[in-house]
Amino acid sequence: AQSVTQLGSHVSVSEGALVLLRCNYSSSVPPYLFWYVQYPNQGLQLLLKYTSAATLVKGINGFEAEFKKSETSFHLTKPSAHMSDAAEYFCAVSDSGGSNYKLTFGKGTLLTVNP
Amino acid sequence: DAGITQSPRHKVTETGTPVTLRCHQTENHRYMYWYRQDPGHGLRLIHYSYGVKDTDKGEVSDGYSVSRSKTEDFLLTLESATSSQTSVYFCAISGTGGSYEQYFGPGTRLTVT
Repeated sequence: AQSVTQLGSHVSVSEGALVLLRCNYSSSVPPYLFWYVQYPNQGLQLLLKYTSAATLVKGINGFEAEFKKSETSFHLTKPSAHMSDAAEYFCAVSDSGGSNYKLTFGKGTLLTVNP
Repeated sequence: DAGITQSPRHKVTETGTPVTLRCHQTENHRYMYWYRQDPGHGLRLIHYSYGVKDTDKGEVSDGYSVSRSKTEDFLLTLESATSSQTSVYFCAISGTGGSYEQYFGPGTRLTVT
């Protein structure tokens, strides 16, 4: 079965610093991969997705992620953190070979941005 | 934003009472999902639907049932609420475009006392 591991439940960066949120997955077939962002008291919002096209995926708000098959990773990055990036981030992987479009989510990484 | 609403947005109920949460979509998407979100656990799938009257269990389905009589509505019922079901519940929808992305509602915060 597919699974997702997000390394670090809490990441703290300074404003203007690089943001790096780590995600490793396991899947028996080429996966679709997603990053979602959740602001306080809101639902999840799709940040970006990898669907077997370009390995470097650009998303909203200046975020991007790179699919590395050899490392089974899909880390999320942003060159310069902004205070508004403070939120919880979830990585998700598609159900291997499934037909019901299910996703498996990681446990989330809370990003804090310090002034 | 995807047209997904959830009701109620907040609810406090007593142990042993039945509770029904509603998810309503205006996107005409085929797939609908119910998740619960708890600290340290991320999102866990409770039940999902792949069409009207077609539903199946997720990884944490015990104590929950669902129904879908119309494309736009997906109901989650806690048959006899317990304190362990205190959580935030999210509904999500997905189309059949083949890319698996899901769109989420605003959530329902349920407290069982």
